Amino acid sequence: NAGVTQTPKFQVLKTGQSMTLQCAQDMNHEYMSWYRQDPGMGLRLIHYSVGAGITDQGEVPNGYNVSRSTTEDFPLRLLSAAPSQTSVYFCATERGAHEQYFGPGTRLTVT
Amino acid sequence: DAKTTQPPSMDCAEGRAANLPCNHSTISGNEYVYWYRQIHSQGPQYIIHGLKNNETNEMASLIITEDRKSSTLILPHATLRDTAVYYCIVRVWSSGSARQLTFGSGTQLTVLP
Repeated sequence: NAGVTQTPKFQVLKTGQSMTLQCAQDMNHEYMSWYRQDPGMGLRLIHYSVGAGITDQGEVPNGYNVSRSTTEDFPLRLLSAAPSQTSVYFCATERGAHEQYFGPGTRLTVT
Repeated sequence: DAKTTQPPSMDCAEGRAANLPCNHSTISGNEYVYWYRQIHSQGPQYIIHGLKNNETNEMASLIITEDRKSSTLILPHATLRDTAVYYCIVRVWSSGSARQLTFGSGTQLTVLP
């Protein structure tokens, strides 16, 4: 049981490039979400999904797309990377009610 | 969601109980109290949650005052591995909603040998 896995662990992009951050879980949790964590800002919700085929925007969705075709996977796409998207990205799932599990994070630098 | 107030930092001796306070004086009746922690550079880790009653699990105990305006997280026998930032979060839980956890600045707990 791997829990929540995220790839890559580290990534450097140039401004304007696109990429996909991967998130996978093997716990059969319906709810999945993406947060970003910036120094001094705490975690902010980007997008979330309450089940396969259902996604919605969180607090800071601009510049990001998501899709949820399976229960297991919830990729986050950066359409055209900007330096303001330099951050640590965490994927999280929720078991039934209340308890959220976070992945190890992807550290993204946009130059 | 109600706002929380936590001390920015605390120290605790290894093997002693760590008592982390949280003030949430504007909490409403359907809001839960959650505690998470984040060990340096890792993803946040769920610790415990409660609504009205005190709760205990294998990691910690949560004491909520009768008026629900404050709570205390207790780590009964702190170890060096418990050094982390601890976040107290108040939130309404709803099955169809964003279920966003709003992480404030938390308390940096340092367990000293």
